Amino acid sequence: DTAVSQTPKYLVTQMGNDKSIKCEQNLGHDTMYWYKQDSKKFLKIMFSYNNKELIINETVPNRFSPKSPDKAHLNLHINSLELGDSAVYFCASSQDGLIPEAFFGQGTRLTVV
Amino acid sequence: DQQVKQNSPSLSVQEGRISILNCDYTNSMFDYFLWYKKYPAEGPTFLISISSIKDKNEDGRFTVFLNKSAKHLSLHIVPSQPGDSAVYFCAASVISNTGKLIFGQGTTLQVKP
Repeated sequence: DTAVSQTPKYLVTQMGNDKSIKCEQNLGHDTMYWYKQDSKKFLKIMFSYNNKELIINETVPNRFSPKSPDKAHLNLHINSLELGDSAVYFCASSQDGLIPEAFFGQGTRLTVV
Repeated sequence: DQQVKQNSPSLSVQEGRISILNCDYTNSMFDYFLWYKKYPAEGPTFLISISSIKDKNEDGRFTVFLNKSAKHLSLHIVPSQPGDSAVYFCAASVISNTGKLIFGQGTTLQVKP
């Protein structure tokens, strides 16, 4: 069983479209994250949720909206996609925010054309 | 402002020898450090961590050393194996309820048979 799974793995879409990436973890963790890896390979945190509550929102454009229906799921919805949104998006989870060892999903490569 | 730096983009070592990956940080508030390994098209996998109250942590072939005065940490892999070939990311955290990780840009390790 995959511990942190995200879908889809690849996403190609046109500018202006709205898309969602789903993430689920079966580790029983309380904290979930979205990280973005840009073209220069830097991994940067976007959002952190603890027990469905938003903890971190790192100066991410309003077009990005995370949604956590329960503590095992954290989805990422992106409105009005732009070319600069092309990146690899990783979902991750950790036992709680005080234990930083995070487990990552396989990533979603988003390409905006 | 890059708070965590891995100044060597790549490293090549012979199988059986020691691999040493380096990482520097600037924020003295960091009190927890982690190393992740990443294969292509996969998410980062947690390897080993160290708290700022320690200067060494060992797990099998992997040892992490922390020099707080120099704001430097290193990952030693002994002996190196071809399966260790991957990108290695150093990450730092301030222990809090956010679990936020600040990543370096990664070092690509190639272990030659």
